[in-house]
Amino acid sequence: DAGVIQSPRHEVTEMGQEVTLRCKPISGHNSLFWYRQTMMRGLELLIYFNNNVPIDDSGMPEDRFSAKMPNASFSTLKIQPSEPRDSAVYFCASSLGEAETQYFGPGTRLLVL
Amino acid sequence: QQQVKQSPQSLIVQKGGIPIINCAYENTAFDYFPWYQQFPGKGPALLIAIRPDVSEKKEGRFTISFNKSAKQFSLHIMDSQPGDSATYFCAASKNSGYALNFGKGTSLLVTP
Repeated sequence: DAGVIQSPRHEVTEMGQEVTLRCKPISGHNSLFWYRQTMMRGLELLIYFNNNVPIDDSGMPEDRFSAKMPNASFSTLKIQPSEPRDSAVYFCASSLGEAETQYFGPGTRLLVL
Repeated sequence: QQQVKQSPQSLIVQKGGIPIINCAYENTAFDYFPWYQQFPGKGPALLIAIRPDVSEKKEGRFTISFNKSAKQFSLHIMDSQPGDSATYFCAASKNSGYALNFGKGTSLLVTP
C-alpha cells in the first residue's frame, strides 16, 4: 500500500494567492483528517470527514479555509486568500473506521511570503 | 486551548537511558490515548496506544503508564537508542469523537 499521499510536498506562494493542498487517503479508509503543524501551536485538527461527509470543522481557522471530499479517494484543503500566518506543515491522515489508528501522510510544507 | 499538556518540551539522554515523557488531560470523556513518533520531514506515526481500562501497556521497548484518577499518562522508552531520536506526541480522543487532541510534543535526543 502506498500510504496516504499528499501533494504538493512543498508550496511557496505570495500573500493573497489561492493555495490548494491535495490528499489521497489509504484505499478503503473511510475517515480523513486534516491537521496543521506549527512550532507555536503544535498539531491542530482542522477538519475531519467520515464517509466523505464533514463531521467537525470547528478547527478551521476562518472562512479563508475550506475543505472538500468529493469522493472516497480524494480531498482538498483550500486557502483563499493566503496569508503569511498560514505558513505551516499541513498533514492529511486517514483511518479505517472511527477511533482506529490514524495514518499520516508526509505533509505539505507551505510558505506564504 | 490545549486539551492535552505534555512535558518536557525537550529531553536528552544517553544511549541505554530511560526517557520518560508525561502528559495530562482534563476531559474525562477521553478514552483513547495514543503516542505518535515523528522524524524530521515525516508525518507522525502511531507508536503505541492505551485505553483507560488498563494501567500499563508494553510493546517492545515502549511502555505507556496510565493513571486514570490523576488523568495522566506517560511514555517510557527502555534501553533507548540513537535511532529513537525523534519528536514524540501524546494525544487523546473520545471513542466516539474520532479527532485526536495532541500535546505539543517532546523532542528527544539520544546520544551515543
